[in-house]
Amino acid sequence: QVQLQESGPGLVKPSETLSLTCAVSGYSISSGYYWGWIRQPPGKGLEWIGSIYHSGSTYYNPSLKSRVTISVDTSKNQFSLKLSSVTAADTAVYYCARQYSSGWGLSSLYYFDYWGQGTLVTVSS
Amino acid sequence: DIQMTQSPSTLSASVGDRVTITCRASQSISSWLAWYQQKPGKAPKLLIYKASSLESGVPSRFSGSGSGTEFTLTISSLQPDDFATYYCQQYNSYFTFGPGTKVDIK
Repeated sequence: QVQLQESGPGLVKPSETLSLTCAVSGYSISSGYYWGWIRQPPGKGLEWIGSIYHSGSTYYNPSLKSRVTISVDTSKNQFSLKLSSVTAADTAVYYCARQYSSGWGLSSLYYFDYWGQGTLVTVSS
Repeated sequence: DIQMTQSPSTLSASVGDRVTITCRASQSISSWLAWYQQKPGKAPKLLIYKASSLESGVPSRFSGSGSGTEFTLTISSLQPDDFATYYCQQYNSYFTFGPGTKVDIK
């Protein structure tokens, strides 16, 4: 059974960088699929942040692209998110998820079939 | 950008009711649409992909239909475990979610 677990600080100061890691068990990241980050502000809807392949190929939400970096560590079977210059608007529950894909390239990325439990990150001084 | 809308935003229903939720895309997305169920404090759960394909393990009372710009999620007979918020997600061009439909107890 594929399992994902987010970890990282629950409180980040404004203008600093939010950093989260997603540890994957039950499936090797190197075996395929893309791996993504999605966030949900309290009481609001879901927003895709970006996705990464085990090769390091990434796709980012154009609205966040200038502030987002997603990386992968296949030796640890985990991937990470960095979001810079955060403001209160970045306060959200952050989820990592496996993104079903049929191959290579943006048009082959589909839906999210396995999700982590989510971690709340609050941006406040 | 492809924008997604859902209606209604809230739906009050009783156990046993047939429930239909509509999702509309701002441009054609063919059948590249998924539906998720989310309960408070939990991660979303995939129900339907490619507009009408049922994810493994999901009860058959859930069904999806539509193509192009208009899609529906139907629950044929609402069960106590189905009270939740439902989101659609397009994956035709990048990935965007609808605002959600909350199904609560009438």
